[in-house]
Amino acid sequence: DTAVSQTPKYLVTQMGNDKSIKCEQNLGHDTMYWYKQDSKKFLKIMFSYNNKELIINETVPNRFSPKSPDKAHLNLHINSLELGDSAVYFCASSQDIQETQYFGPGTRLLVL
Amino acid sequence: GDSVTQMEGPVTLSEEAFLTINCTYTATGYPSLFWYVQYPGEGLQLLLKATKADDKGSNKGFEATYRKETTSFHLEKGSVQVSDSAVYFCALNAGGFKTIFGAGTRLFVKA
Repeated sequence: DTAVSQTPKYLVTQMGNDKSIKCEQNLGHDTMYWYKQDSKKFLKIMFSYNNKELIINETVPNRFSPKSPDKAHLNLHINSLELGDSAVYFCASSQDIQETQYFGPGTRLLVL
Repeated sequence: GDSVTQMEGPVTLSEEAFLTINCTYTATGYPSLFWYVQYPGEGLQLLLKATKADDKGSNKGFEATYRKETTSFHLEKGSVQVSDSAVYFCALNAGGFKTIFGAGTRLFVKA
């Protein structure tokens, strides 16, 4: 029943490691997003895909690489994790770019 | 560029008090305006939206009116409950590829 799901919910890892976060939506939406939320709740867009094609790539370090194997999935791979990467990462989807976005429950990443 | 400015929090109210969270925006064209709410430990969810001037969005007792002349979309509720404690985000999309979110306003409601 879950509309937008993310795994894992919690991720604790050491600096320098590589990790992935998975996202799936069962809403049939064409557009998917990754956001980063810091400890002050500020929400920053990282990437957006429309029909499996990258349409937004904000000033994100190239250690972050999104991959969209199909319209229902948008995964985020992070290389060489740094302390500053600690945050909550949200996946979201929408039918179109101007429509309501549906958010996943978030992945809480802690880099030690 | 497009931007959203919302009042800083935290806002602390007693139960049954009146709530206003101010939101103003800058945008080219005619944006769609949104309020999202984030309850503790959860993702954001849509609270209400308005797509054209003078539209009023409403949901769960919350209301906001799209005011083009003052470029505002203030959130109001007549009587808040403890369960309304959350972070509220004003957002806009002006037809570009991304939605612009405000910084969020944390609301605490005391019993």
